[in-house]
Parts: sequence; structure tokens; C-alpha cells
Amino acid sequence: KQEVTQIPAALSVPEGENLVLNCSFTDSAIYNLQWFRQDPGKGLTSLLLIQSSQREQTSGRLNASLDKSSGRSTLYIAASQPGDSATYLCAVHQNFVFGPGTRLSVLP
Amino acid sequence: SAVISQKPSRDICQRGTSLTIQCQVDSQVTMMFWYRQQPGQSLTLIATANQGSEATYESGFVIDKFPISRPNLTFSTLTVSNMSPEDSSIYLCSVYTGGADEKLFFGSGTQLSVL
Repeated sequence: KQEVTQIPAALSVPEGENLVLNCSFTDSAIYNLQWFRQDPGKGLTSLLLIQSSQREQTSGRLNASLDKSSGRSTLYIAASQPGDSATYLCAVHQNFVFGPGTRLSVLP
Repeated sequence: SAVISQKPSRDICQRGTSLTIQCQVDSQVTMMFWYRQQPGQSLTLIATANQGSEATYESGFVIDKFPISRPNLTFSTLTVSNMSPEDSSIYLCSVYTGGADEKLFFGSGTQLSVL
């Protein structure tokens, strides 16, 4: 059964720092992997989709990588801003399971 | 892409009653999902609802408690039956679009409080 974990569970950084969020999965037979953010009391916003044949995707200050063989994906956020404060979730497009999330706080 | 309308957005219900949540999509999709998000937690998949077949429930969720209908490719309902305070959560409808844009899209969710 596919299991998805995310580390760290929470992260607090000063504004301007570059940071990396990690997502690990146990079964490498995935289709795609998708990163979301969720603001408190809000729904989910899709950030990036990495297809199984790709190794990375970029959108603005965000870059997501995928290494299926090691069962890992990373989300890199460059020059973090207070508006990046949210919970970041990864979802594996195999059985559509979500990781527990990383709660990010960017301090001004 | 897909735009999902979910109703109601929130409700306060009494113990022992049932609530039906509706999910309407602006395009035809095969795969629809229902998730639960308990306070401070991530999303837990309740079931997969594909049109033309019975819903497939994840471990810990049963049809008697969470009956699902999927009458066509744009609509689904989730009923939370015989509610207890432990059912207080956000319930989210999601669709998976195929083709070149293979993404999960989410409705805005239903905030359920059971007294």
C-alpha cells in the first residue's frame, strides 16, 4: 500500500531564505505527483504537477523535482515571502493519497 | 481544467441526522474522489466514485456510513449518515482530469460541525 510522508512537519524561516520541502513515497509505480498549498480555512491550490516521465517542473519561484527510483520529490521555494506561509501538501497519482503536509511560516 | 461547485459550504447538524453534500463539475470526468480533512490534519481519501460502477471505499470507511451516488459524469453526492461529533470535518470533492492536464482539482469543501 502506498504511503506518503513529508518532512519537515513544520518550518519557520525569515523572509528571503531559500527552502526545500520533502515528500517521500513507498511505491515508485506512480503516474504523476502534484504539489498543493492550503491556506488556513481555505481549499487546496495546485502548485505544480510532475508527470512520471519528468524530473522537474518550474513555476516562478517554485521548482519541484521527482526521483521515482528513490521515492522522493522535493519542492524548492526561492526567496521566500510572508505570502508563502501555508501548508504544503504532496499527492501521489497512484492511489491519490496525500502526505501529512509541511506547515510553513515565513517571518517578515 | 475543471471547476467544481460543492454545496453546502458549511452546515451545523444534530447528532443522529444525515447530511448530503453535492459536487457539480463543469466538465465530464471519469474519476471523482471524496476526501475528509479533520481539524489540523491532512486529507484522507474516503472513496473513489467512478460513473457506472459502485464507489470504492478506503479502509476505515463503509458504504452504510458514507453512501455515495454518481449518476453521471458531472455530478456526485456524499452522504454522512447517523452523524456524531467525530464526523465534524471538512469534506472535499475532487476530480482527476485526464489527457495532457492530468491533475487533481478540488472543490472549496464543506465544513461540517456535528453537535
